[in-house]
Amino acid sequence: EDQVTQSPEALRLQEGESSSLNCSYTVSGLRGLFWYRQDPGKGPEFLFTLYSAGEEKEKERLKATLTKKESFLHITAPKPEDSATYLCAVKGTSYDKVIFGPGTSLSVIP
Amino acid sequence: AAGVIQSPRHLIKEKRETATLKCYPIPRHDTVYWYQQGPGQDPQFLISFYEKMQSDKGSIPDRFSAQQFSDYHSELNMSSLELGDSALYFCASSRQNTEAFFGQGTRLTVV
Repeated sequence: EDQVTQSPEALRLQEGESSSLNCSYTVSGLRGLFWYRQDPGKGPEFLFTLYSAGEEKEKERLKATLTKKESFLHITAPKPEDSATYLCAVKGTSYDKVIFGPGTSLSVIP
Repeated sequence: AAGVIQSPRHLIKEKRETATLKCYPIPRHDTVYWYQQGPGQDPQFLISFYEKMQSDKGSIPDRFSAQQFSDYHSELNMSSLELGDSALYFCASSRQNTEAFFGQGTRLTVV
């Protein structure tokens, strides 16, 4: 069965302290791997789509990378406004749904 | 840019009542998804529609049903509500093989 795991469960960083979030996935045929940001009580906000191993996408302080088994979300010099839950999700070729991981709750302390 | 619109934003119902949640997808998106998210949990897939036909089904209780109409809007009908149905309900839309965009959700509280 396709599944997504994320680590760490929670991450606390000082402002400016770079780090990476991990997403490990098992999927029979990958149609796409997605990263979302979610603030409390709000809908997931789309960040990136990655389709194949070796692909990288970048947006402001965030950079997402993809291998055949993992994706990383690198956060460079984070700011307090980057505090949120970051969700990784996959879509496989054999179904029409997006499967989410449990998320990483990021707190950036000023 | 147009986003996914959900209504109502908040809903309070009593046990055993019925609730209807509405979703208006982004124009020209052909797929609609419904998700349920409990406190501190990741979104759980309920059901999806591609071009108005049910395309996939997740852990959706038999008390729940959904459909997509000719104008592409979708409705999630929830009957015999239970306290455990209290959650955030998200609708999302996408074009096939691309990312899904989520609405702001409906917070359902069952009392």
